[in-house]
Amino acid sequence: EAGVAQSPRYKIIEKRQSVAFWCNPISGHATLYWYQQILGQGPKLLIQFQNNGVVDDSQLPKDRFSAERLKGVDSTLKIQPAKLEDSAVYLCASSSHSGSSTDTQYFGPGTRLTVL
Amino acid sequence: AQSVTQLGSHVSVSEGALVLLRCNYSSSVPPYLFWYVQYPNQGLQLLLKYTSAATLVKGINGFEAEFKKSETSFHLTKPSAHMSDAAEYFCAVSAPFTGGGNKLTFGTGTQLKVEL
Repeated sequence: EAGVAQSPRYKIIEKRQSVAFWCNPISGHATLYWYQQILGQGPKLLIQFQNNGVVDDSQLPKDRFSAERLKGVDSTLKIQPAKLEDSAVYLCASSSHSGSSTDTQYFGPGTRLTVL
Repeated sequence: AQSVTQLGSHVSVSEGALVLLRCNYSSSVPPYLFWYVQYPNQGLQLLLKYTSAATLVKGINGFEAEFKKSETSFHLTKPSAHMSDAAEYFCAVSAPFTGGGNKLTFGTGTQLKVEL
């Protein structure tokens, strides 16, 4: 079974530029998550999708971050414009069920973003 | 709201020695608890999870954890450390929240170093 795929693996941009990250979850997984992991911290949930609907985006900085999951499969996370404090690893995860609290989330390798 | 606290951001053990990584949780409802491992430049991998069945949970790679409600703890142990166990370990908690979904809240992580 193929895992969660993410691209690119690394991205370096200047502040105020835009950037987009792509995630392809495990086939058949209905729930998709985006996390932000700042160096020295644990991952923090940004947004959760159930199929192509948003379940929770309470910690997504909506003035600059946006995410979509068209057709309930792949997802894109965008930052526009980027700030220095957005430097982090962006992790995508997916789970197979309805977003139950006992679901196992499977993580991709992440995209490391550096904002200069 | 739920949270976890991981005591010790860095732990060093000798190969063959006991591994003990500490995690305490705070939750207003019965929690579900997880331990994830992260190797350099990789995503997180589930080691084990507690979902209110047996309080002693066995996971992959010889790790286990015991849920102790009276101590609000979920410490991770392994009887004999191996060099390949060197990684960062994250404790996480989830609970149902309004609107459905599974929101994982992670601790700040413990970096495990294994020495010869």
